[in-house]
Amino acid sequence: EIVMTQSPATLSVSPGERATLSCRASQSVSSNLAWYQQKPGQAPRLLIYGASTRATGIPARFSGSGSGTEFTLTISSLQSEDFAVYYCQQYNNWLALTFGGGTKVEIK
Amino acid sequence: EVQLLESGGGLVQPGGSLRLSCAASGFTFSSYAMSWVRQAPGKGLEWVSVISGSGDNTYHADSVKGRFIISRDNSKNTLYLQMNSLRAEDAAVYYCAKYFHSGTYSSTFDIWGQGTMVTVSS
Repeated sequence: EIVMTQSPATLSVSPGERATLSCRASQSVSSNLAWYQQKPGQAPRLLIYGASTRATGIPARFSGSGSGTEFTLTISSLQSEDFAVYYCQQYNNWLALTFGGGTKVEIK
Repeated sequence: EVQLLESGGGLVQPGGSLRLSCAASGFTFSSYAMSWVRQAPGKGLEWVSVISGSGDNTYHADSVKGRFIISRDNSKNTLYLQMNSLRAEDAAVYYCAKYFHSGTYSSTFDIWGQGTMVTVSS
C-alpha cells in the first residue's frame, strides 16, 4: 500500500494570504496525484488531477505541483470559501487507491 | 447535470447486512468504472471498492474483502454495495464516486454523491 502523508495537519491562514499544503507518497506515484477540497457535511470536490491540472471550474488561485513522491497544493490568495479540509490521493496504484490524512485550512 | 444519489444507509447491528445503492444520471453510466469511498466520523477518506464499466471486474480493499460486494445494473444506471458481517469499524459515510476518465481505473474521481451514513451498533 502506498502511504500518503500530508502536512501540516492544520494550517492557520489569514484571508488574502498564500497557503501551501504538502503531500508525500511512500513510493513514486508519478503524476497520478489528485487534490480534493471537503467542507463540513459535503462530499469531496476534485480540485487538481495529474498533479497540476485544475479540474473544470476550479479558480486559478489553486495550483498543484510535484511528481514522484513530493507534491504541493498552493492557494495563492485565500478566500473565505477556501477554508476547508484538503486531501491528496494517489491513483498510480489503482487497485489500492489511498488518500492522505488531510490538511485543515482554518482562519487565523 | 451529472449526478450521483446514494441511499440505503442506516443503523445495523454488528454482524448484520446492508445494501447501499447509488443512482447515476447525466452521463453514460456503463462507460465508467465506479467506486465506493467511505469516511468514518471525523476521519479521512478510505477507498472501499471499484467495479469496471461492464461490471465484469471488481476489486475491494483488504479491510472489506470477503464481506462486501460491489455490483452494478447498467440497465438501471445504479451502483450497489452489499455489506455483510458488518463491524463497528465499518461505520462511516459511504460515498459513490465516478471515475474521471472512461474505460480506465487509472483515474481520479470527478463526481461524488452526497453520501449515506452507515451506523453499526447494538
